[in-house]
Amino acid sequence: AQKVTQAQTEISVVEKEDVTLDCVYETRDTTYYLFWYKQPPSGELVFLIRRNSFDEQNEISGRYSWNFQKSTSSFNFTITASQVVDSAVYFCALSEPFSGGYNKLIFGAGTRLAVHP
Amino acid sequence: NAGVTQTPKFRVLKTGQSMTLLCAQDMNHEYMYWYRQDPGMGLRLIHYSVGEGTTAKGEVPDGYNVSRLKKQNFLLGLESAAPSQTSVYFCASSYKLNTEAFFGQGTRLTVV
Repeated sequence: AQKVTQAQTEISVVEKEDVTLDCVYETRDTTYYLFWYKQPPSGELVFLIRRNSFDEQNEISGRYSWNFQKSTSSFNFTITASQVVDSAVYFCALSEPFSGGYNKLIFGAGTRLAVHP
Repeated sequence: NAGVTQTPKFRVLKTGQSMTLLCAQDMNHEYMYWYRQDPGMGLRLIHYSVGEGTTAKGEVPDGYNVSRLKKQNFLLGLESAAPSQTSVYFCASSYKLNTEAFFGQGTRLTVV
């Protein structure tokens, strides 16, 4: 069963539109961590945010905001007033116990965002 | 500060050939990882290391081997490449459990 679901494969918006990227996760752990990463066309993965399961406060960083709701197992990402430079693939990830006391990141399949001028 | 550096960035192999991908980090991180990225599948963990001299299998370890002889380096080896190993490979490191991982720029490997 998929642990991290990003149902939106591709989203296309026009510059200055707001856009929300959905992330739904599945875990039986009470303590876990959620992440968002950005992968621009250049290919590297850039860390955006980490949230632990005990902190349900929404976070805002400039044009970016995140809505974490444990009741719906969702960790959605909103870009306000999108810009062309926001065009990238965005990955949501869940950290869960693996083996040997290690936690591994489980990535969603990613959402490709295209922002057009 | 270079962060995480992968070598090479591109490579084409013939089926059955071997190669080693090198990952180097200069952040003194304990944890290092190798992932592969395939279309529509996100990133999947191949192997990981929780410290110098230690390695462990991830989700998709078959066909790969790794070594962590020095804390800053994590090597991924393909002994006999297969077309199914055509992928983009990412190395990452993190300071400790559940902290953000820093990724290299990726290695695009094609096996023909």
